[in-house]
Amino acid sequence: DIQMTQSPSSLSASVGDRVTITCQASHDIINYLNWYQQKSGKAPNLLIYDASNLETGVPSRFSGSGSGTHFTFTISSLQPEDVATYYCQQYDKLPITFGQGTRLEIK
Amino acid sequence: QVQLQESGPGLVKPSETLSLTCSVSGGSVSSGTNYWSWIRQPPGKGLEWIGYIYYSGSTNYNPSLKSRVTISVDTFKNHFSLKLRSVTAADTAVYYCARVYGSGTQCIDYWGQGTLVTVSS
Repeated sequence: DIQMTQSPSSLSASVGDRVTITCQASHDIINYLNWYQQKSGKAPNLLIYDASNLETGVPSRFSGSGSGTHFTFTISSLQPEDVATYYCQQYDKLPITFGQGTRLEIK
Repeated sequence: QVQLQESGPGLVKPSETLSLTCSVSGGSVSSGTNYWSWIRQPPGKGLEWIGYIYYSGSTNYNPSLKSRVTISVDTFKNHFSLKLRSVTAADTAVYYCARVYGSGTQCIDYWGQGTLVTVSS
């Protein structure tokens, strides 16, 4: 299986801050990497697909970059509604695997 | 707008079979661009992909669960199903059904609301 390692596991930031989460793959996954947001008690929601493509309807403050084994997810200006856990997910090789998640809180 | 809804027992006894169905509306399970997937999340933990099925009946399963899992599709009823045999407490989780959009990419673009299944006697 391809292991996906996110860092940090949790972080706390202030409204308006720039927030960055990284995801490291154990093998080259080209750009076959998606990002999801999961709010408490809800199903995950797709934000970014293929490493850098913004899903329709997702605010432009969310962005993604990277290729190969190293990927980055950024919120350019943190908003209160962004409190959630964020997951990366690879689909280069089955089984599909997810990172362990990054819990984001507001200071 | 595609909607998915899980249904099935919320409590299953150890060693028995967990059975869930996902009803799809606003779209067809017979669409050639999509795979229909099950994903689970133990309480307080991360996401685990269980497997997915194509409308033709072709399946792929997570090797960690492959010996116990069957996913099937009913194109007439527009739903797909999960069976997980010989369950233990470790199978207690929120189970999500989801659509994997598979044209030029593979992203999970629609999810059900999830259903908590507890394994306990």
